[in-house]
Amino acid sequence: KAGVTQTPRYLIKTRGQQVTLSCSPISGHRSVSWYQQTPGQGLQFLFEYFSETQRNKGNFPGRFSGRQFSNSRSEMNVSTLELGDSALYLCASSPRGDRVAEAFFGQGTRLTVV
Amino acid sequence: GIQVEQSPPDLILQEGANSTLRCNFSDSVNNLQWFHQNPWGQLINLFYIPSGTKQNGRLSATTVATERYSLLYISSSQTTDSGVYFCAVLRGGSNYKLTFGKGTLLTVNP
Repeated sequence: KAGVTQTPRYLIKTRGQQVTLSCSPISGHRSVSWYQQTPGQGLQFLFEYFSETQRNKGNFPGRFSGRQFSNSRSEMNVSTLELGDSALYLCASSPRGDRVAEAFFGQGTRLTVV
Repeated sequence: GIQVEQSPPDLILQEGANSTLRCNFSDSVNNLQWFHQNPWGQLINLFYIPSGTKQNGRLSATTVATERYSLLYISSSQTTDSGVYFCAVLRGGSNYKLTFGKGTLLTVNP
């Protein structure tokens, strides 16, 4: 069974641009969540989707958005990039999206904003 | 929100030594996972352990939910065990949002 797949793995963008990251969950998993990892703030929750609905959102500005498609694949978008958005973005999938289901993470997308 | 504290923040060992990493959390949880972050950034699942004890090779974990802590034991450490170990919890009543500790950076020297 294939794991969680994130694309692209690395990305360099210029301040002010926008970026879209993609996450394909493990087959059969319906919940996808996104996390940002920076040296200063650690791992922080961005948002979670289940059956194409955003169920939970972390404390990030509106420039951060996401969506989930009917095949459970998810994208997140960051508009008007700032230098502080440079981070490792991790996606996780879980089978049922309930509180007791185990989460599995992808390899991440490392975004550098210059 | 729930607080997760991991200790120690850094740990340096010689190959072959044993170690214990601790995770304290501030409220009851439905889900607790231990991860190892590899050099490329991926979080590798070690244990899903909201309560009880589990073992997998040289690694084992124990969660005492009533006392709000979990321990990860690494025996006979190897250089490949180096990296950051994270504890993450999910509190009852919330949707799927894992709260992570700041991690323990483990360095195993040959």
